[in-house]
Amino acid sequence: DIVMTQSPDSLAVSLGERATIHCKSSQSVLYSSNNKNYLAWYQQRPGQPPKLLIYWASTRESGVPDRFSGSGSGTDFTLTISSLQAEDVAVYYCQQYYSTPHSFGQGTKLEIK
Amino acid sequence: EVQLLESGGGLVQPGGSLRLSCAASGFTFSNYAMSWVRQAPGKGLEWVSPISDSGGSTYYADSVKGRFTISRDNSKNTLYLQMNSLRAEDTAVYYCAKAVGGSYYHAFDIWGQGTMVTVSS
Repeated sequence: DIVMTQSPDSLAVSLGERATIHCKSSQSVLYSSNNKNYLAWYQQRPGQPPKLLIYWASTRESGVPDRFSGSGSGTDFTLTISSLQAEDVAVYYCQQYYSTPHSFGQGTKLEIK
Repeated sequence: EVQLLESGGGLVQPGGSLRLSCAASGFTFSNYAMSWVRQAPGKGLEWVSPISDSGGSTYYADSVKGRFTISRDNSKNTLYLQMNSLRAEDTAVYYCAKAVGGSYYHAFDIWGQGTMVTVSS
């Protein structure tokens, strides 16, 4: 099974500053036949279901603000929020959908400093 | 509006059974894979079971294999999760989620609000 490890577990960033969350998979999630990384990022605000932000590691979901971006390939991935807003306070999860079981990272809690 | 609405959660004793339902609307249900994802209180997300668009392909996490059964009725736009031999560690909010594509090798772009399952005596 692929293990997804996020860092840090929690993060406090000032409003308007950059937030960076890392996700590492225990094996590559890059499918060579289509050159796609099977990696998604979700945001879960308190009391809400998760919301898809990024899929294929770097494709922003429709309606997601462009301050959210995803990067990386193979086993190392990053979610960046370029200018933190108050509504970005949430737990963020990465998920691989390359091989079953489609495991999630443990989550990163993002707060305002 | 694209929507998923779960139902069927509740309090059940250890060893008991529950059947969860997820009613879909606002999209062509039969074109997309679906999954159940759960979240224990205060914990992270756990992928439980997916099903392909036709229902012909399914998978189960080791933690539920042999006890849970996923199914779908494309004529009723509804996803199901039959849960048997429930354990305390199955206590969680259960979300249904729609995949971006027809196979379950996709991210989830739509999530329901979740239904709480509590296993306790």
